[in-house]
Formats: sequence, structure tokens, C-alpha cells
Amino acid sequence: QVQLVQSGAEVKKPGASVKVSCKASGYTFTSYGISWVRQAPGQGLEWMGWISAYNGNTNYAQKLQGRVTMTTDTSTSTAYMELRSLRSDDTAVYYCARVEGSSGWDYWGQGTLVTVSS
Amino acid sequence: SYELTQPPSVSVSPGQTARITCSGDALPKQYAYWYQQKPGQAPVLVIYKDSERPSGIPERFSGSSSGTTVTLTISGVQAEDEADYYCQSADSSGTSSFGGGTKLTVL
Repeated sequence: QVQLVQSGAEVKKPGASVKVSCKASGYTFTSYGISWVRQAPGQGLEWMGWISAYNGNTNYAQKLQGRVTMTTDTSTSTAYMELRSLRSDDTAVYYCARVEGSSGWDYWGQGTLVTVSS
Repeated sequence: SYELTQPPSVSVSPGQTARITCSGDALPKQYAYWYQQKPGQAPVLVIYKDSERPSGIPERFSGSSSGTTVTLTISGVQAEDEADYYCQSADSSGTSSFGGGTKLTVL
């Protein structure tokens, strides 16, 4: 069965970086993309960007350009999202989701809570 | 990113029909998707490509599109449908956006 398993919760200080992993199983990793979405406490969903697991092409939300990097390791079927220069308003649950063209984001990771606090 | 607009809340009694709208200028040209999110859980895809239903999603969930508005319809609402619902779409560059979310309350 398809599964996306994310790394555990993180606590970071302002100005630091965080790297969240998303390990895929149960499907051919390179046949799909991965989107990253975050949700601040009590708020809605915010799209952060997308990466093709096939060729590494990326598309980032303009708001995060320059602070976010998405990568994949096809040898371990794992996607990564690194966010730098963390601020308190980056405190959120971060999700990865499998993307297949126009068929939507059909499988999601369990979420990773990132807390930014001094 | 471009804006998708949803009502903040919708309330219905059990067995009634709930309709949640989502408006955006790009919706006539781009597909819309709907996600259900219950507290403390990851979102779940309930409608893709405006009106397609993934396997495992109950038939009472349906989607439609008209001009700049897409609609998620839940027929015969059940208590378990109480959740937040988000529409999502992408522009021609592949940049995605979510609506602000609609809290469905089952009275």
C-alpha cells in the first residue's frame, strides 16, 4: 500500500534551518511528483512548492523563493524540504503529498510539526 | 499565486444537502480539487478534476463547475462529514493555491 512517512517534530530557533523528510513506499517513486503544504496553528493550508521525482524539476511558491529547497533521493525514495532563515510565523505542520498530473494529491504524509521559538 | 474564495462556514442538518462553493478567475481553465480535513489529521482528496471521485470516497460526495465557480456537494450529510473542506487549483505555470477553507458543521 502507498505510504508517505515523514520525519519527526522539530524545534528550532529563529534564523536556523530545518529539513523535513518524506519517505515513500508502495509505488514507483519516480513516476510521481511530491508537493509540500504547510498549515500554521488554526489556519488553512498553504502550498509551498512541488518537485518532480522523475527529473528533480521544482516549482516554489513565490513567497518562499530563496528560503526553500526541495530535493529527492531516488535511491531511498525520499523527498526532502529544507526551509532556511526560520521565523516564528514558520511554525506549522508540514505535509508532503503525492502528485500525479491532474489526478490530485491522493496520498499524504502524517505531517511534521516544526516549532520556531527562541 | 491566485486567489480562491470559499465561505468560512456552512451548516446543515443530518440528511440534508451541503453545498460548498469556491470561486476563482482561473477556474474556467484549470481543474479544481477538494480536500476534507478533520482535526489533527492530514487532508484527504475527495474530488479531483472538478467532478471525479477517488476510489473509496462515498457517492454522496460530488463536484461540479460553472464558469468561475466550482461546487462541492455532499448529499445526505452524515455526522462524520463534519470537517474543514479546502478547494485547490493551479495556474498555467503550475503554481497551486488553496481556498481559505470552509468549516462544515452538522447540526
